[in-house]
Amino acid sequence: GESVGLHLPTLSVQEGDNSIINCAYSNSASDYFIWYKQESGKGPQFIIDIRSNMDKRQGQRVTVLLNKTVKHLSLQIAATQPGDSAVYFCAEKIGPGGSYIPTFGRGTSLIVHP
Amino acid sequence: GAVVSQHPSWVICKSGTSVKIECRSLDFQATTMFWYRQFPKQSLMLMATSNEGSKATYEQGVEKDKFLINHASLTLSTLTVTSAHPEDSSFYICSAQNGQGPGAGELFFGEGSRLTVL
Repeated sequence: GESVGLHLPTLSVQEGDNSIINCAYSNSASDYFIWYKQESGKGPQFIIDIRSNMDKRQGQRVTVLLNKTVKHLSLQIAATQPGDSAVYFCAEKIGPGGSYIPTFGRGTSLIVHP
Repeated sequence: GAVVSQHPSWVICKSGTSVKIECRSLDFQATTMFWYRQFPKQSLMLMATSNEGSKATYEQGVEKDKFLINHASLTLSTLTVTSAHPEDSSFYICSAQNGQGPGAGELFFGEGSRLTVL
């Protein structure tokens, strides 16, 4: 996985633009991935998940894309709003019946300008 | 949806004292709970994995005698920061894994506890 404990990369966008946040993972056995949103001073909140037998999943204004070939995950947010400003993390689960690898990637700080 | 409650949400203590943080799963049984710490503008760092009825598994570099974890029931895990010092000031977050039923394996996070050691 990505290094933890490093300062967060930042993505700045204008309100109404689409945002794309990326995440790389290292374990090819991972079969389930989740995106979390963390607002300042709060715990992470579940946004969307995807299983490894899929390459795309859509939610309300959010889409997750999975590229298992290069072990890459992305979160797309359509028509980004100021309320989307937060830090976004991806997490992964290894293997059927396995527990989550509950270690998080670096995360990305999304800043939405009105 | 499932709720995980942390208490206290914030605490200020004097250096040398011990602080206990509770993590409760309110509407499901959590066979596994995880404890993280997070410094400002940094990622969540896993400290330990806590399984009900057994000793916690600590990540490399985390002092088990400094951060005591108890998971005595399926709905409660506690983290005690012993002899706290200013460098222990951080945001501590727990998560609980649903142990049974259709939602087994799902992970839910508490709202975090901010510790400030003077």
